[in-house]
Amino acid sequence: QVQLQQWGAGLLKPSETLSLTCAVYGGSFTGYYWSWIRQSPAKGLEWIGEINHSGSTNYNPSFKSRVTISVDASKNQFSLSLNSVTAADSAMYYCARLHGITAPYWGQGTLVTVSS
Amino acid sequence: DIQMTQSPSSLSASVGDRVTITCRASQSINTYLNWYQQKPGKAPKVLIYGASSLLSGVPSRFSGSGSGTDFTLTISSLQPEDFATYYCQHTYIAPLNFGQGTRLEI
Repeated sequence: QVQLQQWGAGLLKPSETLSLTCAVYGGSFTGYYWSWIRQSPAKGLEWIGEINHSGSTNYNPSFKSRVTISVDASKNQFSLSLNSVTAADSAMYYCARLHGITAPYWGQGTLVTVSS
Repeated sequence: DIQMTQSPSSLSASVGDRVTITCRASQSINTYLNWYQQKPGKAPKVLIYGASSLLSGVPSRFSGSGSGTDFTLTISSLQPEDFATYYCQHTYIAPLNFGQGTRLEI
């Protein structure tokens, strides 16, 4: 059974950088793309981007200028970095395996609040 | 980008009703379509992937169908625990966009 466990800072000030990490347990890490998603009342569910084990990435154009997704395949982990955050980036952030026609798996979510 | 449009945005129904939610993609996505259920304060729960494959443990009253651009999620007999918000999402090509959600209310 695949499990995703995520962690990172939950309270940020405007202009800081959001950093979250997701660890994958069980199943294969290679051969899949691993995603970050966020959800806010204003914007609903937004797919941020994805990465595979070799570091190939795809980003949502809405975030492309501010986001970096990285991978540490030796630890079965991938990370999200979003710079220059504002209050509009306050949301629940999720990591997930969303790959083709395969069963999706999601992390538990991390609430991120941006406030001065 | 492939846009996903759900209808209706909200739906009132009663226990025992048969309910259908529709999701339309702006271009063909084959069967690269997931359905989720979300209750307040909880993470989305996967119901169906690949348009029609029921995730293990999901009650059989849930079913999905469709391919190409038009998809449906059907709940054959609504139970009290099914009142929630439902989302579709495609996994065909990045960005993997979501529908706006369908709120199912009593």
